[in-house]
Amino acid sequence: GAGVSQSPSNKVTEKGKDVELRCDPISGHTALYWYRQSLGQGLEFLIYFQGNSAPDKSGLPSDRFSAERTGGSVSTLTIQRTQQEDSAVYLCASSSGRSVYGYTFGSGTRLTVV
Amino acid sequence: DQQVKQNSPSLSVQEGRISILNCDYTNSMFDYFLWYKKYPAEGPTFLISISSIKDKNEDGRFTVFLNKSAKHLSLHIVPSQPGDSAVYFCAASYGNNRLAFGKGNQVVVIP
Repeated sequence: GAGVSQSPSNKVTEKGKDVELRCDPISGHTALYWYRQSLGQGLEFLIYFQGNSAPDKSGLPSDRFSAERTGGSVSTLTIQRTQQEDSAVYLCASSSGRSVYGYTFGSGTRLTVV
Repeated sequence: DQQVKQNSPSLSVQEGRISILNCDYTNSMFDYFLWYKKYPAEGPTFLISISSIKDKNEDGRFTVFLNKSAKHLSLHIVPSQPGDSAVYFCAASYGNNRLAFGKGNQVVVIP
């Protein structure tokens, strides 16, 4: 596609439920990143996929968070047993190589845990 | 630990005047610095960057200045236009692909 596509754009869920957030990167981009922005905070790194290499999961805040990237393309971020502090905008970005240039972000998924 | 800091969360400026956004960082290993612009309900978009081997980079109305000894960079927008009203994020990287972001500055350009 022309850009990074994220779905859903908005998600309201009850505390304790699991949610899945989807990211469809730009075709051909080998690198994919997940960030989140909580209210009043900057963008917080979560996880990074590069090609077929093992992902860098060092930013995931707890073991309730996991992500996978199937076939080197679409990625799903899963949050299990959601908590109110998980409420944030979850942003996905992709890039064509190892350089930070050409980082293209999607519009994000606004997650609200009630 | 906030490695990239943006103080003065909001800035209002008259159209045609200069907007100056400041950013401080703590990690001396950072070697690339970027500014992103974000409109509501959209993802951040890349605006301008600077390598640590330079002290200035200019692109049209946007100029970024880097002072490595002070671990400080700034973004100048001149002249400011109403379409520049957005949140601006400062970001930094040190050789890996991860970016450390500041909290952002809201800029409002008054027509």
